[in-house]
Amino acid sequence: ETGVTQTPRHLVMGMTNKKSLKCEQHLGHNAMYWYKQSAKKPLELMFVYSLEERVENNSVPSRFSPECPNSSHLFLHLHTLQPEDSALYLCASSPAGQGPENEQFFGPGTRLTVL
Amino acid sequence: TQLLEQSPQFLSIQEGENLTVYCNSSSVFSSLQWYRQEPGEGPVLLVTVVTGGEVKKLKRLTFQFGDARKDSSLHITAAQPGDTGLYLCAGVTGNQFYFGTGTSLTVIP
Repeated sequence: ETGVTQTPRHLVMGMTNKKSLKCEQHLGHNAMYWYKQSAKKPLELMFVYSLEERVENNSVPSRFSPECPNSSHLFLHLHTLQPEDSALYLCASSPAGQGPENEQFFGPGTRLTVL
Repeated sequence: TQLLEQSPQFLSIQEGENLTVYCNSSSVFSSLQWYRQEPGEGPVLLVTVVTGGEVKKLKRLTFQFGDARKDSSLHITAAQPGDTGLYLCAGVTGNQFYFGTGTSLTVIP
């Protein structure tokens, strides 16, 4: 248990569906992240929120829409996805502003399959 | 984009053997971290190295940060089946974490 939970753990959706991934952290952290992990590729940073403001958006397609209503919760809204979007989506949090010792705590991920 | 290359990409060894994993970049980082990820789970932090040339030991694992703070190595002595997993290095600059390509380690009993 890392203090970061993600739901659902597994999701299968069609290309026309709309779904949302949820992340919750119980660590009092101020920064939250969405990553995409595909086979044989490095972990890809998608979005970063610090103090509930989006500070990074790494050229992610608009079919992915993040939402951070408060410092404990992070959502990733999905719509009209493509099969190549199938991957493990990981959420992480960190105590922003801690300098070089800053550490990320990851959730277990959501395994997404797009049919 | 800061790219961190890890080598080898895959490693399969017998229990009791030693191994070294490398993480190389052309960029300088404030610190470098190593994570281990097991199937069905997210990465878990093993260590953070901050100072160039720093060496940290965690039981049978030895981590070293390069003098120029661009590269790092992870050495495992007498590997155990429980060491099996995906090892990821990450360069840290501020709130940005740049992950390496990963090394998948399998330790055969």
